[in-house]
Amino acid sequence: GESVGLHLPTLSVQEGDNSIINCAYSNSASDYFIWYKQESGKGPQFIIDIRSNMDKRQGQRVTVLLNKTVKHLSLQIAATQPGDSAVYFCAERTGYSTLTFGKGTMLLVSP
Amino acid sequence: DTAVSQTPKYLVTQMGNDKSIKCEQNLGHDTMYWYKQDSKKFLKIMFSYNNKELIINETVPNRFSPKSPDKAHLNLHINSLELGDSAVYFCASSPLDRDYNEQFFGPGTRLTVL
Repeated sequence: GESVGLHLPTLSVQEGDNSIINCAYSNSASDYFIWYKQESGKGPQFIIDIRSNMDKRQGQRVTVLLNKTVKHLSLQIAATQPGDSAVYFCAERTGYSTLTFGKGTMLLVSP
Repeated sequence: DTAVSQTPKYLVTQMGNDKSIKCEQNLGHDTMYWYKQDSKKFLKIMFSYNNKELIINETVPNRFSPKSPDKAHLNLHINSLELGDSAVYFCASSPLDRDYNEQFFGPGTRLTVL
C-alpha cells in the first residue's frame, strides 16, 4: 500500500503487481511533464514524458496519465520488477527551460 | 560514452573552505543546470546556463557561483562552505528545444561539510 512517512511517501508492492505513482502539480499553465526514476546513488533518469495536449502516453511497461482538470499526473508501471525499486519524481515545465520537480515517491518492490 | 559526468563523486571538507565541482556533457546540448538534492530527496534548481549566459538563479546564496568555460562545461564554485551546504549536487543538460525539455543528469556529487 501507500504511506506517507517522515521522509518520502513510499509505495510497497509485490513483484508482478501493477504500480501506480501519483503526482499533483502546481501550475495550470505547465505544458510539458516528465517522470524520472532515481536509483540509489545515481542521478535521475528519464522514463517518459507527456505534453499538455495529450492525456495518455504509453511506453514500454509504463503509462503516464495527465488530468489537467485536477492538475494530476500518474505513472503506471505494469508487472513491477525488483529493478523498478527507486525514487520516482514527476517534473513540470514551469519556464522556458525550467523543470520544477515534485517531492518524489519511493517504490519498493518485494520479490 | 558518458553523457553527463561530474567530478568528484564525493567531497568531504571543513566549514569555511572553498571548493569546486566540475561538470561536462558530450551531448552537444545548449543548456546546463545545477541542482541541489537535500536529505529528503527534494531536488531544487540552482542555476542554468545557456550559451554562457546565466538564465536562472533561484535565490541561491552568492557563495555559489557557476562558471562555464565553454558550452560543454558548467562548474560550480562554492566559497566559505557551511554545514547546510551538505547535500548531493547534480549537474544536468538539455537541448534548447521548446517542444521537449528532457534533462539528462550526471551521477551526482555528495558534498559533506564538517
